[in-house]
Amino acid sequence: GENVEQHPSTLSVQEGDSAVIKCTYSDSASNYFPWYKQELGKRPQLIIDIRSNVGEKKDQRIAVTLNKTAKHFSLHITETQPEDSAVYFCAAPKAGNTPLVFGKGTRLSVIA
Amino acid sequence: NAGVMQNPRHLVRRRGQEARLRCSPVKGHSHVYWYRQLPEEGLKFMVYLQKENIIDESGMPKERFSAEFPKEGPSILRIQQVVRGDSAAYFCASQDRPSTDTQYFGPGTRLTVL
Repeated sequence: GENVEQHPSTLSVQEGDSAVIKCTYSDSASNYFPWYKQELGKRPQLIIDIRSNVGEKKDQRIAVTLNKTAKHFSLHITETQPEDSAVYFCAAPKAGNTPLVFGKGTRLSVIA
Repeated sequence: NAGVMQNPRHLVRRRGQEARLRCSPVKGHSHVYWYRQLPEEGLKFMVYLQKENIIDESGMPKERFSAEFPKEGPSILRIQQVVRGDSAAYFCASQDRPSTDTQYFGPGTRLTVL
């Protein structure tokens, strides 16, 4: 089955700097890679996702890159703001299409 | 997605009691997933249901836990004879169909076992 590793577990950046979170996965058949943001006490919210037919996807200050050969994908947040502070989870589908296997999360702190 | 509803939002049970958690998916979604999140940890898959069928229950403990998604009504996650280790946040997510990929999460039920 799928195994998803996520690094780092905690990340502190100054406001305005960039943040990068990396994940690796094990199942080469996986073809869908979402990123979720979870604020304290709230539900996970999808912020961006990428499918295996593209190498990069961007949505304003957020981008995701995918390297299928190396089986890793990364979340990039530019011009970080205090409201970006949250726990971020990457995920990949279990064998087949679903359900999702989540990384352990990265706690991002943006310091004003 | 605000369309996924869960209730109750908070549930307190004493050891040995039963806990029933409900999930109403986004209207029209027929695929429901239950995940458990322990404090300061990630989300762990428990069970995947389609209307009236359990598709994958590999993440659900074989004893005391059961789930259903009837033809009419919400999906139910049932925990019998709760123990302190069951204290966690339980999230459900719904999906239109597997090929659309995106799962939308409900607000969660925070279960506390005294």
